[in-house]
Amino acid sequence: AQSVTQLDSQVPVFEEAPVELRCNYSSSVSVYLFWYVQYPNQGLQLLLKYLSGSTLVESINGFEAEFNKSQTSFHLRKPSVHISDTAEYFCALQGGSEKLVFGKGTKLTVNP
Amino acid sequence: EPEVTQTPSHQVTQMGQEVILRCVPISNHLYFYWYRQILGQKVEFLVSFYNNEISEKSEIFDDQFSVERPDGSNFTLKIRSTKLEDSAMYFCASSSSGGRGETQYFGPGTRLLVL
Repeated sequence: AQSVTQLDSQVPVFEEAPVELRCNYSSSVSVYLFWYVQYPNQGLQLLLKYLSGSTLVESINGFEAEFNKSQTSFHLRKPSVHISDTAEYFCALQGGSEKLVFGKGTKLTVNP
Repeated sequence: EPEVTQTPSHQVTQMGQEVILRCVPISNHLYFYWYRQILGQKVEFLVSFYNNEISEKSEIFDDQFSVERPDGSNFTLKIRSTKLEDSAMYFCASSSSGGRGETQYFGPGTRLLVL
C-alpha cells in the first residue's frame, strides 16, 4: 500500500519569512512525487514534480522541493513567501500506476 | 490557458437520488480521472478512463458509480443511488497522455451534499 503524510494541517507565517511544508511517503515501489496547490475556488494546480534525475526540483514561482529517498520525504520550501502564496498545498505520489495518492493537505496562510 | 471545467459547482440531493456530475476536460486531452475529497479527509482516486473504457478504479468505485464520455467534450460521473457518505467534493482531471509522470490537470470541483 502507498500513502502520503502531511503532518502539518495548517502553517501560518509572516510575509517574507521562509516556509517549509513537510511531506513523507510510504511505498514498496519506486515513486514519482508531486506538489499541487489549490487557491480558493480553483482546482488543484501542479506546482512541481520529481520524476528522476536531480533530487532538487523548482517551480516558476520560487518554491522548491527535494526528494530524499533515505528519509522518504519530499518537503516543499520557499525562502521568502508572499501574501499571494496563501493556499492549500497537497503532496502526492504515483506508484505503480498513474493514479495520484494524496496527503491531507497543508493550509498555508501568509500574514502581513 | 486551457482549463478543466466542472458543473454544477454545488449540488444538494436527497439520499437515494441519482446525480450526474459533469466535466469538460481540456480539449486535446485523452485521459480522464475522477477523484473525491470527503470533508477533512484526503483526496482519493476514484477512476481513470481512456478510449471509452475504465483503465483503473478504486475500491470506492462500486456498482453505484459509472462514468461516460457521451460526446467529444463531456466526461460525466453518475452516482445511481446516493448515500449520505457520498457527500464530498468531486474533482475531475485530464491529461494529454496517460501514464506515470504525466501532469493531471484538475477542475475546480463539484461539492455534493446528500441529505
